[in-house]
Amino acid sequence: EAQVTQNPRYLITVTGKKLTVTCSQNMNHEYMSWYRQDPGLGLRQIYYSMNVEVTDKGDVPEGYKVSRKEKRNFPLILESPSPNQTSLYFCASSSFLRGAYEQYFGPGTRLTVT
Amino acid sequence: AQSVTQPDIHITVSEGASLELRCNYSYGATPYLFWYVQSPGQGLQLLLKYFSGDTLVQGIKGFEAEFKRSQSSFNLRKPSVHWSDAAEYFCSGSGGYQKVTFGIGTKLQVIP
Repeated sequence: EAQVTQNPRYLITVTGKKLTVTCSQNMNHEYMSWYRQDPGLGLRQIYYSMNVEVTDKGDVPEGYKVSRKEKRNFPLILESPSPNQTSLYFCASSSFLRGAYEQYFGPGTRLTVT
Repeated sequence: AQSVTQPDIHITVSEGASLELRCNYSYGATPYLFWYVQSPGQGLQLLLKYFSGDTLVQGIKGFEAEFKRSQSSFNLRKPSVHWSDAAEYFCSGSGGYQKVTFGIGTKLQVIP
């Protein structure tokens, strides 16, 4: 089954404790992206990657890191989480299609930082 | 700056009534436009997309959207709403090999 998986689905952590949220897709997609969703703000792009070893900042990259060492995986790293990073996070992937990106979304990771 | 705007945060319609959700875009060139739906507790599902060509696009679940360059709009429509359509709807745009921008979403409530 074609899918994007994220782990963990729920995470409660404390300020400053490094964490990683994993994202994996089995569709051989070139493009992968991370978003955060906050009430009243919709989805905002954190980072995206157009292929292995190619990443770029989205609209809200501060406090986050990413890496793309393999095509299927795109982990999101919070080196020192803070309470303002409490949010719902989505990973998405897409193949190149006529120059645009039709994204498939993972189920989401709800992160709480206390 | 490239942006997508959804002016309606919340809309209530009666079951069986028609629906139109508004989306306006601001891009230098014609963007690639999408509508997604998010049911409570779920991820986003693509309803339809516009790349170029025919300005009226058909999607899944009986939805359609019309691209109007003169109005910078890409409104989502459905002729008859079902209770299962209650969800949050997001308009999204992309310039191509670039960032993707989402609107803040429109929550649809369907009343009997």
